[in-house]
Amino acid sequence: ETGVTQTPRHLVMGMTNKKSLKCEQHLGHNAMYWYKQSAKKPLELMFVYSLEERVENNSVPSRFSPECPNSSHLFLHLHTLQPEDSALYLCASSQAGVNYGYTFGSGTRLTVV
Amino acid sequence: AQKITQTQPGMFVQEKEAVTLDCTYDTSDQSYGLFWYKQPSSGEMIFLIYQGSYDEQNATEGRYSLNFQKARKSANLVISASQLGDSAMYFCAMREAYFKAAGNKLTFGGGTRVLVKP
Repeated sequence: ETGVTQTPRHLVMGMTNKKSLKCEQHLGHNAMYWYKQSAKKPLELMFVYSLEERVENNSVPSRFSPECPNSSHLFLHLHTLQPEDSALYLCASSQAGVNYGYTFGSGTRLTVV
Repeated sequence: AQKITQTQPGMFVQEKEAVTLDCTYDTSDQSYGLFWYKQPSSGEMIFLIYQGSYDEQNATEGRYSLNFQKARKSANLVISASQLGDSAMYFCAMREAYFKAAGNKLTFGGGTRVLVKP
C-alpha cells in the first residue's frame, strides 16, 4: 500500500471515447501531480495542483483535462485521444514546501486504439 | 537543455556486488534537492534516497548511498550487495525551487535499467 491509489490500472480506449483516470491519496498531502511516462522518454510533468488550485499546466493538449475536487482526489479526464497518448500515467502527491519528493501511485497504463 | 542526465541506459550487475548509477544535473539554484527512485516492472515509483544541496554528508539509506559531488554537479547512486529484487529502472530527479510555499516540481532523468544476474 503506497498511500496513493490509482484506478484503473489498465485502460484501453478508442480515439472517440471519453474516460477518466482517478487518483486518491491517504497521506494528508496538499499537492498532487500528473506525470506521463512514454517509452524511451523521461517522465513529463503534466499538471500540478497545490491546495486544490492548478498551478502548473505544461502545454498539455486540451484533450487532457484535470480536476482536483479536494486535496485527496485528482482526476484526469480524457477525450478524443490519439495513439501517441498511449503511455503510463502516474499520479503523485507531496507535502508542499517540504524537502521531500513525491509519493507515487502505481500508474494507469493507457492504450489508445 | 536537459537538467538531469543519466548516461547509462542499462547495465548488468552480479548478485551481491555493488553498482554505481551515474547522475549529473544542471541548476543555477543554490537550494535544491536530489532524489533517486526505483521503478520495478509493476510501474510504481518507489522513493529511495534524498540529498539536499546544503547537506554536508552523503545520504545513506540501508544499502543505498548517494555520492554527492556538488562542484561536479553529480549525484551518483550506489547500491551495495545487489539483490535480484533490485532489477528495475532507476531514476534520478531534482527538485527545483519552483514554488515558494506550494508544491514541488521534480524533473527526472531518462533512467537507467539495472538487471541483477544470479
